[in-house]
Amino acid sequence: DAGVTQSPTHLIKTRGQQVTLRCSPKSGHDTVSWYQQALGQGPQFIFQYYEEEERQRGNFPDRFSGHQFPNYSSELNVNALLLGDSALYLCASSSGHIVGLGGYTFGSGTRLTVV
Amino acid sequence: AQTVTQSQPEMSVQEAETVTLSCTYDTSESNYYLFWYKQPPSRQMILVIRQEAYKQQNATENRFSVNFQKAAKSFSLKISDSQLGDTAMYFCAYLNYGGSQGNLIFGKGTKLSVKP
Repeated sequence: DAGVTQSPTHLIKTRGQQVTLRCSPKSGHDTVSWYQQALGQGPQFIFQYYEEEERQRGNFPDRFSGHQFPNYSSELNVNALLLGDSALYLCASSSGHIVGLGGYTFGSGTRLTVV
Repeated sequence: AQTVTQSQPEMSVQEAETVTLSCTYDTSESNYYLFWYKQPPSRQMILVIRQEAYKQQNATENRFSVNFQKAAKSFSLKISDSQLGDTAMYFCAYLNYGGSQGNLIFGKGTKLSVKP
């Protein structure tokens, strides 16, 4: 049973460019959340998608946007990249819009470096 | 707003010994979940143990146990019989009950090194 799959694993982009990161949730999961983990920090919540809609959003600018497809996979898009966007981007999936003790299953992340 | 604080940036322990990682949190909610996640160099967040706030009994998972003090808003992780494979970053995390506010709030993490 595949867990959460993220692609690509590593990415280098130039300031001002746009990037798209992809996530396939664990089989049976229908909710996808995205987190940004800067070096030496804990992950910070970006947004969550359920039923193809953004349900919650953390304190991130509109340059960060996302999408969820009918098969529950998700994309994270970041426009006008800044050096400060360099981080590990983690995708987490869960079952149902009410997340209980079952918690989340995380992927291994995409390491984004902005130069 | 809820916050999670881990006051130990780094810790080390000898193989087979016991180590305790500290976590405190702040919330005005009465029902919530608390988690400890492990992040090895492979980067994947792995759930170690979880606790429901309404349960007074401390959770245990094999060599891992917690000391949950709700009044003190403290949630420490004890690792017994430490193994080399326990070397990783450990994150304490908070989640509101019911999950409609379903985003995890993480601490900054504790880097644990298990020495042979």
